[in-house]
Amino acid sequence: GAGVSQSPSNKVTEKGKDVELRCDPISGHTALYWYRQSLGQGLEFLIYFQGNSAPDKSGLPSDRFSAERTGGSVSTLTIQRTQQEDSAVYLCASSFNLREAFFGQGTRLTVV
Amino acid sequence: QKEVEQNSGPLSVPEGAIASLNCTYSDRGSQSFFWYRQYSGKSPELIMSIYSNGDKEDGRFTAQLNKASQYVSLLIRDSQPSDSATYLCAVIMAYKLSFGAGTTVTVRA
Repeated sequence: GAGVSQSPSNKVTEKGKDVELRCDPISGHTALYWYRQSLGQGLEFLIYFQGNSAPDKSGLPSDRFSAERTGGSVSTLTIQRTQQEDSAVYLCASSFNLREAFFGQGTRLTVV
Repeated sequence: QKEVEQNSGPLSVPEGAIASLNCTYSDRGSQSFFWYRQYSGKSPELIMSIYSNGDKEDGRFTAQLNKASQYVSLLIRDSQPSDSATYLCAVIMAYKLSFGAGTTVTVRA
């Protein structure tokens, strides 16, 4: 695709529900990153994929968070039993071989 | 020590002036360095990449890299009100793209 695409753009969910956030990277990009940004805060690293494997999962806040990437392309970030503190913008970026990374428009998650 | 550190700001400059942003990083082996601009409510947008020591110019932006000092900077010449945003320094370290906390720049008309 022309750019990184994330869906949905906005998600409102009830506390305790599970949510899935999707990221479609730029075609051919080998690396894929997930970040979280709370209101007025910086980017918090969550997880990084190289191909389908995740060499660095160190940023996942708890075991309620998981992510996968299939076919070296689409990635899904899943949050189980959502809590209010999970409310944030979730950003995905992709890059090719340690070169420039480009971001999607983000998914704004609100847990009520 | 944080992996990527930026001057905390906020930085206020008059229109037409030069805005200078600084960044240091912890991994001496890093090879790829980037500056992103983020407007409020938007996702980060890549404005500069630099991979070798020295200066790289693109329009009103100049990135400077000094690997020996583990330092990268961004100069914005002839600052415009539209440059008002948060600027993020990013470094690829051990294959992970790490960001600084950002510096908020306000250009006064």
